[in-house]
Amino acid sequence: GPKVLQIPSHQIIDMGQMVTLNCDPVSNHLYFYWYKQILGQQMEFLVNFYNGKVMEKSKLFKDQFSVERPDGSYFTLKIQPTALEDSAVYFCASSLWGTNTGQLYFGEGSKLTVL
Amino acid sequence: GEKVEQHESTLSVREGDSAVINCTYTDTASSYFPWYKQEAGKGLHFVIDIRSNVDRKQSQRLIVLLDKKAKRFSLHITATQPEDSAIYFCAASSGGSNYKLTFGKGTLLTVTP
Repeated sequence: GPKVLQIPSHQIIDMGQMVTLNCDPVSNHLYFYWYKQILGQQMEFLVNFYNGKVMEKSKLFKDQFSVERPDGSYFTLKIQPTALEDSAVYFCASSLWGTNTGQLYFGEGSKLTVL
Repeated sequence: GEKVEQHESTLSVREGDSAVINCTYTDTASSYFPWYKQEAGKGLHFVIDIRSNVDRKQSQRLIVLLDKKAKRFSLHITATQPEDSAIYFCAASSGGSNYKLTFGKGTLLTVTP
C-alpha cells in the first residue's frame, strides 16, 4: 500500500542544537501532519499543513518548531533550538482528504533523543 | 477542544476469545471515528472507521459500535489471533476541524495462544 517515509529513523543531538526531521509523504496526498509520541503511548497532535500553510496547530507546537514543504519536496519539521522535553518519537502522516473524510497514512517515526 | 478517553490501557485475552476496547469523546460535533493499530517499533496503521450517520460497522473480524447519545464508541475484535497483539488507538475528528485527529492513549492488546 501507500507508504510514508521518514528520515532519519533515529537522531541524537545536544540540547540547543537544531534538528530537521524529514518526511516523504504519499505522492498525491494534500494534507500533512506531525504527531509526537512519548514512551510508546499517547499520540499528541502537533500540526497540520495544507495548501502551503499551517491550518491547525496545538500548544505543543512551540515557537521553536516550524514546518515547510518547499516545491513538493520533503515535508519537514524543524526544531530550533531543541530542549530536553523534545525527546520523543515524531510521526509524520499524510492524507488525500481531511481528517473528517479518510484515513491518514503514517510513517515509521523518527526517534529524537536530546541530551 | 475534543478529548478522547480510552478506557483500557492494557487488555489480555486468550486466542479465539473476543476483545473489546472502549472510548469516549467530548465534542458533540465529532463525526468521524477511526481506529489505528501500532505494532512494536512501527507507525500507525488504519484498521476500521465509523461515521456518525451509522451506529455499527463490520469488517471481517472487526466490529465498531457508536453510541452518539453517550458519546461512546468501541472496537470489538472477534476470534482473536496472536497477530492481533498490538497497541490500538481510537481517534475522533471534530466536525469543526478537518485538520486534526485526536487520539486516545492507546490500549495494549495481548493475545495469548
